[in-house]
Amino acid sequence: EAQVTQNPRYLITVTGKKLTVTCSQNMNHEYMSWYRQDPGLGLRQIYYSMNVEVTDKGDVPEGYKVSRKEKRNFPLILESPSPNQTSLYFCASSLRGLGTEAFFGQGTRLTVV
Amino acid sequence: GESVGLHLPTLSVQEGDNSIINCAYSNSASDYFIWYKQESGKGPQFIIDIRSNMDKRQGQRVTVLLNKTVKHLSLQIAATQPGDSAVYFCAENMDNQGGKLIFGQGTELSVKP
Repeated sequence: EAQVTQNPRYLITVTGKKLTVTCSQNMNHEYMSWYRQDPGLGLRQIYYSMNVEVTDKGDVPEGYKVSRKEKRNFPLILESPSPNQTSLYFCASSLRGLGTEAFFGQGTRLTVV
Repeated sequence: GESVGLHLPTLSVQEGDNSIINCAYSNSASDYFIWYKQESGKGPQFIIDIRSNMDKRQGQRVTVLLNKTVKHLSLQIAATQPGDSAVYFCAENMDNQGGKLIFGQGTELSVKP
């Protein structure tokens, strides 16, 4: 089954404790991206990757890092999480570009206390 | 500046009626417009897209209309069903910006039986 898998689904952590949210897709897609979703602000792009070893900033990249060492995985790294990073995070992938037929993961709800 | 917004945050319709969800955008250089559906507890799901050189595109029970003159996008759902209840997002994308997507804030569609 074609899917985008994020882990964990839920995470509560403390300020400053490094964490990684994993994202994996099994569709051999070139394009992957991370979004955060906040009430009243909708979905905002954090980082995206057009291929292996090619990443670029989205609209809200501060406080986040990503890596794309292999096509299927695109982890989101928070080196020093802060409470303002409490949010719902989505990973997405697509074959031709993130504007068309993007597949989203189920989401990771992160709480930073 | 770039922005994608929705006219109404909520829409309530009777089962069997047609639904129309509207979206305004400000960037006339956008090449793609996409509608996503997000059900509670799930990631956004691609519904339909349209390129800027088109005025109309039809899918199964859904139609997207693009009016570039007034920078307006709409999603029409025919014979709305309870399973259509969700939040609907419009998003825009420009070919020369790779995978960058700008989402609107979303409209919550509620279908009354």
